[in-house]
Amino acid sequence: DQQVKQNSPSLSVQEGRISILNCDYTNSMFDYFLWYKKYPAEGPTFLISISSIKDKNEDGRFTVFLNKSAKHLSLHIVPSQPGDSAVYFCAASANTGNQFYFGTGTSLTVIP
Amino acid sequence: DVKVTQSSRYLVKRTGEKVFLECVQDMDHENMFWYRQDPGLGLRLIYFSYDVKMKEKGDIPEGYSVSREKKERFSLILESASTNQTSMYLCASSSRTYGYTFGSGTRLTVV
Repeated sequence: DQQVKQNSPSLSVQEGRISILNCDYTNSMFDYFLWYKKYPAEGPTFLISISSIKDKNEDGRFTVFLNKSAKHLSLHIVPSQPGDSAVYFCAASANTGNQFYFGTGTSLTVIP
Repeated sequence: DVKVTQSSRYLVKRTGEKVFLECVQDMDHENMFWYRQDPGLGLRLIYFSYDVKMKEKGDIPEGYSVSREKKERFSLILESASTNQTSMYLCASSSRTYGYTFGSGTRLTVV
C-alpha cells in the first residue's frame, strides 16, 4: 500500500515559469518530509525538507509547502531552469522510525 | 560530507548467476537501505538494516538477501539472478535530519 503518492508521473514547464510538484500521503504519523532530485544514472540527492511544525520552508528557488489537514505537500521551483530537469521524489517519515517512504516520482522537463 | 559508495556503476550478469552488490558509507550511520528503482514504480525498498548483523525485509525482498558484517558495509545478494531483476539498485544510509544519502546507483542488467 503506497503511503506516499505522486499522482503526476511527468510535468513540462517553460524556462522561467514556476514548476509545482505535488505529493500526498496517507499516514497521519508522518512528521518529516523531504524532496529528492534524481538525474539519470545517478543516485537521488537531498533537495529540501520540512518538519510538520512548519507549513513552509524556503531555500533559494525551492519552496516546500505542507498542508497537514489535507496531507499534502508541494514543491515550488521559481524560476524553473533547464538544469532542473530531473525526477523528483517526495519522502516522508514518522518520528518513531528511521525509514522514509517514497513516492513514485515526477519527471520534470524544463523547456528552454 | 557523507559518502555512500557503491562498488559498480554498471553490471551485466547472466541468468542464474549469484550477484553481489556492495555498498560502503563513511559517516558511521547505523541505518542502511537497499532500494531498486524502476520506471513508473519509484523507489521500492528491498532490505534494510538498523545495525550490524541486523536486517529486515522491505517491500520486495523475494530473490534477494543481505549481509551487514560491519557497520559501514551493507551488501545486497541476488542468489540466482533473473531477468526481472534488471534494474537500478540504490544503496543509502540515513540520519534523521537529512534523511537518506544515496550512492550513485548500480545499473544491473541480467541477460
